[in-house]
Amino acid sequence: DAKTTQPNSMESNEEEPVHLPCNHSTISGTDYIHWYRQLPSQGPEYVIHGLTSNVNNRMASLAIAEDRKSSTLILHRATLRDAAVYYCIRTGGGADGLTFGKGTHLIIQP
Amino acid sequence: NAGVTQTPKFQVLKTGQSMTLQCAQDMNHNSMYWYRQDPGMGLRLIYYSASEGTTDKGEVPNGYNVSRLNKREFSLRLESAAPSQTSVYFCASSEFSFPDYGYTFGSGTRLTVV
Repeated sequence: DAKTTQPNSMESNEEEPVHLPCNHSTISGTDYIHWYRQLPSQGPEYVIHGLTSNVNNRMASLAIAEDRKSSTLILHRATLRDAAVYYCIRTGGGADGLTFGKGTHLIIQP
Repeated sequence: NAGVTQTPKFQVLKTGQSMTLQCAQDMNHNSMYWYRQDPGMGLRLIYYSASEGTTDKGEVPNGYNVSRLNKREFSLRLESAAPSQTSVYFCASSEFSFPDYGYTFGSGTRLTVV
């Protein structure tokens, strides 16, 4: 049970914004939302995380719904190098690891 | 570059052979992890070590053993390899009990058991 729900795949055009949705309706008050991505033939890479407020970093933005039951990862201007599998993960922050689902396979068209 | 280093990158084993996958991190993280990833699937946790001197089973521990050699190193051993253990293995590290810190993953070991 990955505890989050994501679309299997999404397609977008290069240089356009991409909004990747994630549902986590059973999230507890202390769970964080983490996003990782996995480029072909590589290990997962940390993208961004948040608790309640929207978050921005150099890679992406994370918008968290007010009820925290869903979130959206925003890539402001997709490039071909953003083509990857994106994983949305909720975690209580303990040291017992992350639970990965199948993620969303993002395809970027030139 | 700082990060998680895994060796070897590729390995082919015959059924019944044994081998150890090595993992080292230079970020002074307390926690380390071993995952496996099968084609088209997400990662599944095999074993983890919350801190030096402790190890715990994850979701799929059968057929594997681990050793937390010191704070930097965490090895995964297959005592008698089986074709079902053909997979890509990833090691990761993180700071203990801090959800603010992301996990850092190695580049993986691609293992084939024939």
